[in-house]
Amino acid sequence: DQQVKQNSPSLSVQEGRISILNCDYTNSMFDYFLWYKKYPAEGPTFLISISSIKDKNEDGRFTVFLNKSAKHLSLHIVPSQPGDSAVYFCAASVKAAGNKLTFGGGTRVLVKP
Amino acid sequence: DAGVIQSPRHEVTEMGQEVTLRCKPISGHNSLFWYRQTMMRGLELLIYFNNNVPIDDSGMPEDRFSAKMPNASFSTLKIQPSEPRDSAVYFCASSFKDRHGEVGANVLTFGAGSRLTVL
Repeated sequence: DQQVKQNSPSLSVQEGRISILNCDYTNSMFDYFLWYKKYPAEGPTFLISISSIKDKNEDGRFTVFLNKSAKHLSLHIVPSQPGDSAVYFCAASVKAAGNKLTFGGGTRVLVKP
Repeated sequence: DAGVIQSPRHEVTEMGQEVTLRCKPISGHNSLFWYRQTMMRGLELLIYFNNNVPIDDSGMPEDRFSAKMPNASFSTLKIQPSEPRDSAVYFCASSFKDRHGEVGANVLTFGAGSRLTVL
């Protein structure tokens, strides 16, 4: 059973436009959420996170939104740049249970110049 | 800091052979994780250690898989005997968790991965 799901395997967007990546989770115990970015032949790198006590966290061009009632979070990238082309993973954890992350399947983003 | 160091980066072996993957975590980090990435299952946690002690190995697929962390700066993941379905990219990650249980924002730092192909 997948506790974290990214239903869109891929996304194509024009440079300068907004990229919106979605993630759904089923475990109501999750209280911390993260987005990781992965380039080919590299490990995932941390991008941005949000605690369940918040509904929005912003860091430069990246904003994560959390809707706890819908068990849904999204990552907005604006404006999108060609260097943002990568695979993006959503991850979730229960902080009290330690730092074990459960990942979604990933969304491949292609930003066209 | 050189980050999380994994070796080998690529390994091609034949079915039945023993495979050993190695990981050096970031100095000062006290939690270490082994993940496996496949097309079918995505990134799945195999096992993790806190202060060199295995905490959760529920993700280890079967007895052919074993992991050790003999000290704070080294961990191995061994597959014996290997099978074609073990072909995947294996990632090691580390993080810091303080004595109160709070983690450095639960942020894991990943190595570049070891791509394993079992023929």
